[in-house]
Amino acid sequence: DQQVKQNSPSLSVQEGRISILNCDYTNSMFDYFLWYKKYPAEGPTFLISISSIKDKNEDGRFTVFLNKSAKHLSLHIVPSQPGDSAVYFCAASGLRGNQFYFGTGTSLTVIP
Amino acid sequence: DVKVTQSSRYLVKRTGEKVFLECVQDMDHENMFWYRQDPGLGLRLIYFSYDVKMKEKGDIPEGYSVSREKKERFSLILESASTNQTSMYLCASSGNRVRQYFGPGTRLTVT
Repeated sequence: DQQVKQNSPSLSVQEGRISILNCDYTNSMFDYFLWYKKYPAEGPTFLISISSIKDKNEDGRFTVFLNKSAKHLSLHIVPSQPGDSAVYFCAASGLRGNQFYFGTGTSLTVIP
Repeated sequence: DVKVTQSSRYLVKRTGEKVFLECVQDMDHENMFWYRQDPGLGLRLIYFSYDVKMKEKGDIPEGYSVSREKKERFSLILESASTNQTSMYLCASSGNRVRQYFGPGTRLTVT
């Protein structure tokens, strides 16, 4: 059963505009949430994370928002750039052991 | 900076062959993981290890085994490769639940 879900398989955005990627989770025991970016034929690279005790974390053009009551997090990229075109995975941790639970990914295309 | 390396970027094997995928990390992390990535299915956990000689099954362990004889090395073994094991295989390591570090991946094709 998928504990972390990304319901949008793809997203297209114009360069310079905001990209919003969404993620939902089912287990309220998760205490850390992460976003990874993946280019084809490469391993995922860490982008940004947020602890469950926070509701927002910002790093340059990237901001992650956490809504614990809705069990929802989102990644905002402002402004979007063509180099942001990649697959984005959200992940959660904090359950048994140090296992990470991943969503199925959202493929972002930023159109120049 | 943490480095996770995988023995091959691309691999082509025949059905029925035994396949070894090697992963090495240089940050003394306790935890190591093997995932496979398939279109539309995201990252699925095959096995993970939280200590030397310790292993736990992930979501899709069937057809795979693992070995962790040294802390820095985690091997994935396909005992008898099948075409449905054609995939991108990703190794990761972590020292805590805050972040995982991934290797570059191995694109395995089984013909």
